[in-house]
Amino acid sequence: NAGVTQTPKFRILKIGQSMTLQCAQDMNHNYMYWYRQDPGMGLKLIYYSVGAGITDKGEVPNGYNVSRSTTEDFPLRLELAAPSQTSVYFCASIRDRGKGYTFGSGTRLTVV
Amino acid sequence: EDKVVQSPLSLVVHEGDTVTLNCSYEVTNFRSLLWYKQEKKAPTFLFMLTSSGIEKKSGRLSSILDKKELFSILNITATQTGDSAVYLCAVGRNQAGTALIFGKGTTLSVSS
Repeated sequence: NAGVTQTPKFRILKIGQSMTLQCAQDMNHNYMYWYRQDPGMGLKLIYYSVGAGITDKGEVPNGYNVSRSTTEDFPLRLELAAPSQTSVYFCASIRDRGKGYTFGSGTRLTVV
Repeated sequence: EDKVVQSPLSLVVHEGDTVTLNCSYEVTNFRSLLWYKQEKKAPTFLFMLTSSGIEKKSGRLSSILDKKELFSILNITATQTGDSAVYLCAVGRNQAGTALIFGKGTTLSVSS
């Protein structure tokens, strides 16, 4: 069991470039989430999914898109990267509401 | 608007001290309160509390929830330098798939 796998671990983007942050889990979890974490600000929800084919916006969705074509994968797409998207991104999943999240190791993104 | 507020935002103590971290919340359809420890990587799960007045313990760490007053505390006794981390409080709501709402965290620094 690999748990939640995020790639890449680090990335530097130029303003206006696009990229996809990958997230995969092998625990057959239905619920998956993308958060961003800025220094001293806790974690803010970007998008989440309750199952394959179902996604919904969180607190800070602007500038991002997601898809959930399979139970395992939940990629986060950044279009037209901006410096405000410099952050650490965490993907998380959960099987049911009785347990805490399983987090990926995070992606540190810098937009210059 | 749902919110989770942690205090203090930062704390510096000496090894051997006892610390208390606070978390208050205003969340509709409350289901659970969770504590995480974050050390430069992904948050790791500490406790989940759902019932008022029942203390959860793990070694030197303990936590309790007061659902009437809408707060929780995390106690760490005989602190060690390895306890230095950001401690995150999060609240889950009683609705399938809804994401955890995180506080901004308390940064604890333990000096030797």
